[in-house]
Amino acid sequence: KQEVTQIPAALSVPEGENLVLNCSFTDSAIYNLQWFRQDPGKGLTSLLLIQSSQREQTSGRLNASLDKSSGRSTLYIAASQPGDSATYLCAVILQGGSEKLVFGKGTKLTVNP
Amino acid sequence: SAVISQKPSRDICQRGTSLTIQCQVDSQVTMMFWYRQQPGQSLTLIATANQGSEATYESGFVIDKFPISRPNLTFSTLTVSNMSPEDSSIYLCSARRAGGGYEQYFGPGTRLTVT
Repeated sequence: KQEVTQIPAALSVPEGENLVLNCSFTDSAIYNLQWFRQDPGKGLTSLLLIQSSQREQTSGRLNASLDKSSGRSTLYIAASQPGDSATYLCAVILQGGSEKLVFGKGTKLTVNP
Repeated sequence: SAVISQKPSRDICQRGTSLTIQCQVDSQVTMMFWYRQQPGQSLTLIATANQGSEATYESGFVIDKFPISRPNLTFSTLTVSNMSPEDSSIYLCSARRAGGGYEQYFGPGTRLTVT
């Protein structure tokens, strides 16, 4: 059974700091990995999608990496801003036809001005 | 990307009643999905909704409790039947277009409280 773990559960940093959020998964037979952002009381916003054949994806100040063999992904946020405060969720789709996203519990990020 | 809306955004319901949640996508999509987010827990897939066929339910979820409709390529509904306080959750709809590496886009969610 695929399990996704995100560490830390919560993180508080001062504005301007670069930071890394971690995601690990137990079954390396994934089709892709997706990072989301969830603001309080809101739905999920897709940030980055990494296919299993890719090593990383970048969008603006965000960079996500994937090491499928070790079951790890990281989300790097450069020059953090208070507007980055949210819960960040990692999810994987397993190979084999099902499109079920298996989620971690998320990392709650607070960026202090 | 796809823009997804859900109605209602929140509701407070009494035990034993049913609530139907609507999900509308701004363009045709191949697959639609319904997830549940219980307090402090990961999002969990309830079912996958294909247009023109029965929904496919995940282990632990049954059609009598969570009937789903998918009448066309842009719309789906989820009904939470015979509600109990344990059904208090956020219910989220998501969708995927053809191609695009199976990227899923989510609606804003429906926050349900059962009293």
